[in-house]
Amino acid sequence: NAGVTQTPKFQVLKTGQSMTLQCAQDMNHNSMYWYRQDPGMGLRLIYYSVSEGTTDKGEVPNGYNVSRLNKREFSLRLESAAPSQTSVYFCASSEGTGDEKLFFGSGTQLSVL
Amino acid sequence: GENVEQHPSTLSVQEGDSAVIKCTYSDSASNYFPWYKQELGKGPQLIIDIRSNVGEKKDQRIAVTLNKTAKHFSLHITETQPEDSAVYFCAASIRSAGNKLTFGGGTRVLVKP
Repeated sequence: NAGVTQTPKFQVLKTGQSMTLQCAQDMNHNSMYWYRQDPGMGLRLIYYSVSEGTTDKGEVPNGYNVSRLNKREFSLRLESAAPSQTSVYFCASSEGTGDEKLFFGSGTQLSVL
Repeated sequence: GENVEQHPSTLSVQEGDSAVIKCTYSDSASNYFPWYKQELGKGPQLIIDIRSNVGEKKDQRIAVTLNKTAKHFSLHITETQPEDSAVYFCAASIRSAGNKLTFGGGTRVLVKP
């Protein structure tokens, strides 16, 4: 009964390094999302995927890439990390694409020095 | 695009008192308004939502009201308890645009025993 699982939980990078955040859900959901959370700014959508093989940009996609590997997994990649990408990243999933409940993972705290 | 503003940013109440959080949105086409609760170290969880064809919805000690004319909606928590201490986020979306929520900046609620 894991729900949405994110790895790693914490990560420290140097400017210019790359890394991939992993996300997997076991609820057979069609849609998956990546959000970033910054103090006072709520959660902002980076990328989302409404089905396997499709991805779309959200509000703040610059500096990120995503892959919907299969129905379960949706990864977020930072090719050349910048201090402005220091944030808490949340993966979420939902059954469909309508007004539906989002299920969130527990987050990845990323610091870029 | 949609803009959601949330007030206050912090709220301290005595146990047993009521708490009210208010949000305004900019896009009159928005028609889905969920509220999420985030406990320390966890991802947000949906606690209640309302759609544009309803003016008020209640679930035990929590209620949400919507004023479409004024483009604002509010969360009301009655008989607050220590476990209500958390960060609360409002959000808005347009059904035709898919499940892409725009979140408010969050309200940190502290219930003092």
